[in-house]
Amino acid sequence: DIVMTQTPLSSPVTLGQPASISCRSSQSLVHSDGNTYLSWLQQRPGQPPRLLIYKVSDRFSGVPDRFTGSGAGTDFTLKISRVEAEDVGVYYCMQATQFPWAFGQGTKVEIK
Amino acid sequence: QVQLVESGGGVVQPGGSLRLSCAASGFRFSTYGMDWVRQAPGKGLEWVAFIRYDARDKFYADSVKGRFTIYRDNSKNMVYLEMNSLTAEDTAVYYCAKMFSWGDFDYWGQGTLVTVSS
Repeated sequence: DIVMTQTPLSSPVTLGQPASISCRSSQSLVHSDGNTYLSWLQQRPGQPPRLLIYKVSDRFSGVPDRFTGSGAGTDFTLKISRVEAEDVGVYYCMQATQFPWAFGQGTKVEIK
Repeated sequence: QVQLVESGGGVVQPGGSLRLSCAASGFRFSTYGMDWVRQAPGKGLEWVAFIRYDARDKFYADSVKGRFTIYRDNSKNMVYLEMNSLTAEDTAVYYCAKMFSWGDFDYWGQGTLVTVSS
């Protein structure tokens, strides 16, 4: 099974400053169809998760452009260019390249 | 607008069974894969099960394989999760999620809480 490891697990950030979250998979996430099924989700307190980024770097509809996904193979990154108060929450990476699908442990983004 | 509404959660004794339901509306249900994802209290997300749009493929997390069954009724726009041999480790909020493309969940329900306790 593929294991997803996120770092850091907690990220205190000053408003207006950037934040970066790393996600590493135990195996390559390149699917036999050539796609890489790595997504990023945000979960605000008390809310269900929300899709931010899919297929590594495609921003989902309505997601602000301050969120950027990048990476390849086994190493992926989510960057928030300038953190806003509404960005507080837990961020998860998820792989859907191989069953069983798997989430990372989550990274809590909070304001300093 | 797309809506996913879970129901069926509650308190069940260890070893017991429960069936969760997810009522979908606002989209062409029969053409999308659906999933269940759970979240234990204070913990992270755990993918549980996937069912293809036509129910021809189903996949499960190792932790629930052989105990949980996902199925759907496209005539009723419903997806279900039948859960058997429940243990305390199954205590969680269970979310129903719609896939818009492979492995990408664009809509989620609000979740239903399952508590396994004697």
